[in-house]
Amino acid sequence: GESVGLHLPTLSVQEGDNSIINCAYSNSASDYFIWYKQESGKGPQFIIDIRSNMDKRQGQRVTVLLNKTVKHLSLQIAATQPGDSAVYFCADLTGGSYIPTFGRGTSLIVHP
Amino acid sequence: KAGVTQTPRYLIKTRGQQVTLSCSPISGHRSVSWYQQTPGQGLQFLFEYFSETQRNKGNFPGRFSGRQFSNSRSEMNVSTLELGDSALYLCASSLTGRGNEKLFFGSGTQLSVL
Repeated sequence: GESVGLHLPTLSVQEGDNSIINCAYSNSASDYFIWYKQESGKGPQFIIDIRSNMDKRQGQRVTVLLNKTVKHLSLQIAATQPGDSAVYFCADLTGGSYIPTFGRGTSLIVHP
Repeated sequence: KAGVTQTPRYLIKTRGQQVTLSCSPISGHRSVSWYQQTPGQGLQFLFEYFSETQRNKGNFPGRFSGRQFSNSRSEMNVSTLELGDSALYLCASSLTGRGNEKLFFGSGTQLSVL
């Protein structure tokens, strides 16, 4: 994950819209990527992961896209719900490390 | 199955004091990692323990230490607290900490240093 400055990027959407959260990573050797969701007062929770030999992976209402050429990762949430309001983090790992590097996070606010 | 449990949930300390935080991993998980989360720096890795041994260490001063017990429960200690140590301290567990295992996080301990 990258350092994006002191302020947390914020994405505001209306309930029912699709949300796209972006993340850039810096290590070209990273080969495993994870998205976490952190609700207020809780620890991060695993959402979905993707390996570097894939460029897309779908879960329930979520899709992760990986573009290794530009070292970019995105999380798409379909039909966003108020319960999706949280901070979303991307994390990456290289084959030689078992410790993920977390991005700064994006705050998603869903308006009813 | 109980999740990762961290105690206490909140702590208020003054500069110069020391603090000990506790983490009970998910039953069967032997790897425990600690992270510091602040608005300015995000989630930063402190250290990881497996089978009572520190296996990985992040870039934090020696004031930050930890240990793991035979039942995989872990504690972290911060000595000579500084104002900048105010943060949410998160513990995460996984089965072995190897490969691409999922990390399961606790709700954290919110430490405020006055």
